[in-house]
Amino acid sequence: EVQLVESGGGLVQPGGSLRLSCAASGFTFSSYWMHWVRQAPGKGLVWVSRINSDESSTSYADSVKGRFTISRDNAKNTLYLQMNSLRAEDTAVYYCARGYRGHIPDYWGQGTLVTVSS
Amino acid sequence: QSALTQTASVSGSPGQSITISCTGTSSDVGGYNYVSWYQQHPGKAPKLMIYDVSNRPSGVSNRFSGSKSGNTASLTISGLQAEDEADYYCSSYTSSRVVFGGVLFGGGTKLTVL
Repeated sequence: EVQLVESGGGLVQPGGSLRLSCAASGFTFSSYWMHWVRQAPGKGLVWVSRINSDESSTSYADSVKGRFTISRDNAKNTLYLQMNSLRAEDTAVYYCARGYRGHIPDYWGQGTLVTVSS
Repeated sequence: QSALTQTASVSGSPGQSITISCTGTSSDVGGYNYVSWYQQHPGKAPKLMIYDVSNRPSGVSNRFSGSKSGNTASLTISGLQAEDEADYYCSSYTSSRVVFGGVLFGGGTKLTVL
C-alpha cells in the first residue's frame, strides 16, 4: 500500500524558515517523480514544486521560486521542502504527492499545516 | 501563472448527471492529453479520479468519466450519489514559460447533491 506521511509543519514567523519532510513507503520511491502541492485555508489546490526521480531536474511555481528548495533522499525514501523567507501567504496545508508517469500526482499524503504569523 | 478556470459550484439531485468544465490554454489543457481530475472531501487529501483526460484509476467508479475538446476538459458524474458531494479539481501538465514541466490546478468546483 502506497503511504506518504508529511511532517515538519508548524507556526513560524514571517521571514523564518521551515523544512518539511515526506516519508514514503509501499512503492519504489527512487523510480518516481514527487510533487509538493499546497492548499491555503478554505482555498483551492496550488502546485508548488516537483523533482524528478534522480534529483537532476526540479521545477517551481513562480510564487516560491528562489525561496523554496525541493530535494529528496532516495536511500531514506524521503522527500523534502526547504522553505525560506516565509510570508503570510505561504500559510497552507502542504501535501506531498507521488508523480505517476512524472507529472500526474496520483497518491497524496494527509498534509502538514504551515502557519506563518507573528 | 494563472490557474485553470472552473465553475465555482454545481448541484444535482441523486440519480442525475452533472458536468464540470475546466478551461485552460494551448500550453496546458489544449496542448496535451494530460488532464486529471481530483475529488476532495472536507479535511481529506485529494483523490485521483481521472487521468490522461479519460482514464480511471483502478477502484474508481465508472460513473465518473472525462473528456476534452480544444482547451476545455470536462468531468461528468452520472447517477449522482450523496457521497459524490465534494470539491473537484482539474489539473494539467503545463509547458508554460513560467512553470515549464509543472502542473496547473483549476480553482475547484463544489458539488452539492441536493
